[in-house]
Amino acid sequence: EAGVAQSPRYKIIEKRQSVAFWCNPISGHATLYWYQQILGQGPKLLIQFQNNGVVDDSQLPKDRFSAERLKGVDSTLKIQPAKLEDSAVYLCASGGGDPYNSPLHFGNGTRLTVT
Amino acid sequence: AQTVTQSQPEMSVQEAETVTLSCTYDTSESDYYLFWYKQPPSRQMILVIRQEAYKQQNATENRFSVNFQKAAKSFSLKISDSQLGDAAMYFCAYRSADSNYQLIWGAGTKLIIKP
Repeated sequence: EAGVAQSPRYKIIEKRQSVAFWCNPISGHATLYWYQQILGQGPKLLIQFQNNGVVDDSQLPKDRFSAERLKGVDSTLKIQPAKLEDSAVYLCASGGGDPYNSPLHFGNGTRLTVT
Repeated sequence: AQTVTQSQPEMSVQEAETVTLSCTYDTSESDYYLFWYKQPPSRQMILVIRQEAYKQQNATENRFSVNFQKAAKSFSLKISDSQLGDAAMYFCAYRSADSNYQLIWGAGTKLIIKP
């Protein structure tokens, strides 16, 4: 089966600019996650979708970050305006529901550098 | 709130030897799931092994096995016959048995394989 697709692979922007990341999950996967992974740390959940509804966005900095999942398939994550501390890898993952019986599948991530 | 701790930022092992990565967690729940994920330089998280808390038998997947000590809240990963391809970041993760399917991640251990 095709994996989770993410683009771009790398992005370099200046602070206060905006950026968007795209994720295409595995076909049929209802659950989609966006994680932020700062160098040397484990992933931090930003937002979780179930189909096209938000399950949890409690750790999403809503003053600058937004995410949507139209039609319950593809998803975009946007940062506007970016700050230096947003430099990180942004990982998208999808799952069939229960991460135990249907383990998460991850994309290769987008490495964002904010200068 | 649950937490996951990986106390070894980096470990090294000689090729073909055995190495054990440590993970401890804190929870008041009795039913939960534990995972080890591998993240190579490609950045894609790959599930290595998983364990259900109510199963006493330790999980095994080929060269990978766990030592699950529920009372001690410890979940270590043993890699036997280490191979160069095992070099990666290894993350321990916890999932509550509730319905939101979210994973709580440790900070990771970098595994270096010496040829």
